[in-house]
Amino acid sequence: GENVEQHPSTLSVQEGDSAVIKCTYSDSASNYFPWYKQELGKRPQLIIDIRSNVGEKKDQRIAVTLNKTAKHFSLHITETQPEDSAVYFCAATYNFNKFYFGSGTKLNVKP
Amino acid sequence: DVKVTQSSRYLVKRTGEKVFLECVQDMDHENMFWYRQDPGLGLRLIYFSYDVKMKEKGDIPEGYSVSREKKERFSLILESASTNQTSMYLCASNTRGGSPLHFGNGTRLTVT
Repeated sequence: GENVEQHPSTLSVQEGDSAVIKCTYSDSASNYFPWYKQELGKRPQLIIDIRSNVGEKKDQRIAVTLNKTAKHFSLHITETQPEDSAVYFCAATYNFNKFYFGSGTKLNVKP
Repeated sequence: DVKVTQSSRYLVKRTGEKVFLECVQDMDHENMFWYRQDPGLGLRLIYFSYDVKMKEKGDIPEGYSVSREKKERFSLILESASTNQTSMYLCASNTRGGSPLHFGNGTRLTVT
């Protein structure tokens, strides 16, 4: 099956700085890559996603890049704010069936 | 808005008990999932169902079974609970045609 690795496991940044979280996947057939944010005690919520036919996608302060050749994708958060503090998960799936998740990154944005 | 509802937020069970975790979604989604969330391990897939009465094992099915008798309901069963099954359990659903996963609020299960 698919194997998704995520780094770093924890990330601490100063408010206003950028944060980058990286994931690699093993199955070249995977074609959809979502990112989820999970605040303490809450359910994971989708924040951005990318399909394999696209190299980059941006939504305000959040962007995701995909390198299919290298089989890695990254989440970029610019101008971080304290409310960005949460655990972030990347995932990979082939045709929206089984979703395989990374181990998570705990982002701490210091005011 | 999609609603995925898990019947219990917190459960405490004893070793050896049979445990049922229930999940209901209201958006007519074909696919339903059970994940287990542990610190440092992310979300690991236990079972996946793509239709009524249809299921596939995920990465960690040992010690678990599932039931999907109706499209909107997906149950996770621990036949004989053990302490190493103490965890957060997340249910999710999506459409077969292609949509992101929508998660329930989770059930925090403690087995003593």
